[in-house]
Amino acid sequence: GAGVSQSPSNKVTEKGKDVELRCDPISGHTALYWYRQSLGQGLEFLIYFQGNSAPDKSGLPSDRFSAERTGGSVSTLTIQRTQQEDSAVYLCASSMSPGLEQYFGPGTRLTVT
Amino acid sequence: AQSVTQLDSQVPVFEEAPVELRCNYSSSVSVYLFWYVQYPNQGLQLLLKYLSGSTLVKGINGFEAEFNKSQTSFHLRKPSVHISDTAEYFCAVTVSSNTGKLIFGQGTTLQVKP
Repeated sequence: GAGVSQSPSNKVTEKGKDVELRCDPISGHTALYWYRQSLGQGLEFLIYFQGNSAPDKSGLPSDRFSAERTGGSVSTLTIQRTQQEDSAVYLCASSMSPGLEQYFGPGTRLTVT
Repeated sequence: AQSVTQLDSQVPVFEEAPVELRCNYSSSVSVYLFWYVQYPNQGLQLLLKYLSGSTLVKGINGFEAEFNKSQTSFHLRKPSVHISDTAEYFCAVTVSSNTGKLIFGQGTTLQVKP
């Protein structure tokens, strides 16, 4: 079956520009997560969505980061006024229920020049 | 707060030798434990999980792990590795009754040599 998909696979942007990263979770999975993977910080949790509940934004590093999930399915992570330290691989994952195994997408590699 | 420590950043091993990748966690409440593998330029793939029940769990590709509550460990083992097992391995924990967000260790690079 179809797994988690993410687009674009690679994104190069100039410092100060806004970027949008997209995630399509596995159909029927109610929980959706965003993580960031960078050389210095390893894998970090960013944000979590579960059904119609308010998202857990506790991992977002600054107010330049935001995310939404429309219709309980597709999610978009937006980074405004990108900085060089935002360069990383952004991973999306989904799960049938919180606490169960998460299935990861291939990631979006963001490079801020 | 929960934390995960992977004691070895790199583990070199010869093909067909056994391997153990170590993982210790810190948590004051019950946890779920996972091992993920990441091949170069790919996303994370679930190897195995411990949610409850038997403390010895078997996963894909011949890997297994044992949950030891008293030692707060979840070490990953394979009796005989292949070149294709060369990858980065991540141990992760989530609090059972929480949102399910994963706390990851720093990762262990397994280098299998011919």
